[in-house]
Amino acid sequence: EADIYQTPRYLVIGTGKKITLECSQTMGHDKMYWYQQDPGMELHLIHYSYGVNSTEKGDLSSESTVSRIRTEHFPLTLESARPSHTSQYLCASSETDRANYGYTFGSGTRLTVV
Amino acid sequence: DAKTTQPTSMDCAEGRAANLPCNHSTISGNEYVYWYRQIHSQGPQYIIHGLKNNETNEMASLIITEDRKSSTLILPHATLRDTAVYYCIVRAFSGGSNYKLTFGKGTLLTVNP
Repeated sequence: EADIYQTPRYLVIGTGKKITLECSQTMGHDKMYWYQQDPGMELHLIHYSYGVNSTEKGDLSSESTVSRIRTEHFPLTLESARPSHTSQYLCASSETDRANYGYTFGSGTRLTVV
Repeated sequence: DAKTTQPTSMDCAEGRAANLPCNHSTISGNEYVYWYRQIHSQGPQYIIHGLKNNETNEMASLIITEDRKSSTLILPHATLRDTAVYYCIVRAFSGGSNYKLTFGKGTLLTVNP
């Protein structure tokens, strides 16, 4: 049973459209993360948040933006989608002060921009 | 965080033990070894972690060498559903601090019937 939810699971959208990928978790975790992964390639951290009203850019530069207004919700937005944004986007969360278990990941959103 | 080196791919027969090695020769004293796996582009799944002692849970065992420069993840009886990319990650943890996980290329384990 998933405790972190991503919607939509798959999205095909035209160039120039604005899109928001949703990520919600019910575990009360204060830390949340977005990773981007192209097929067969490594996961790259693009955004993270250590709590409400806290967001940081990750190791891989991304044109997307994120917000963290509520603990359980960490949406990712692309203002104007381009074919280069085609990828899988994975959301994760973790607790503070817990070495155990590390991250819990969602099932991902596979985005295709045509 | 220390760098890790893993083989690109490995094969294992169904029902046999799968032993996945990881080299982390620059690991420092406060760094943990974590293992995750990713099945067919789903979100990665936590498997096990350890600091210096060997660890076992319902999924796997983790053997860390005495000098901590390498470790082995053991799946005792591999099944076809264990086919996945396995990531070995080393990172520091000092209670109360923030941390990020960096994933490398991992090892693609293929379990054959």
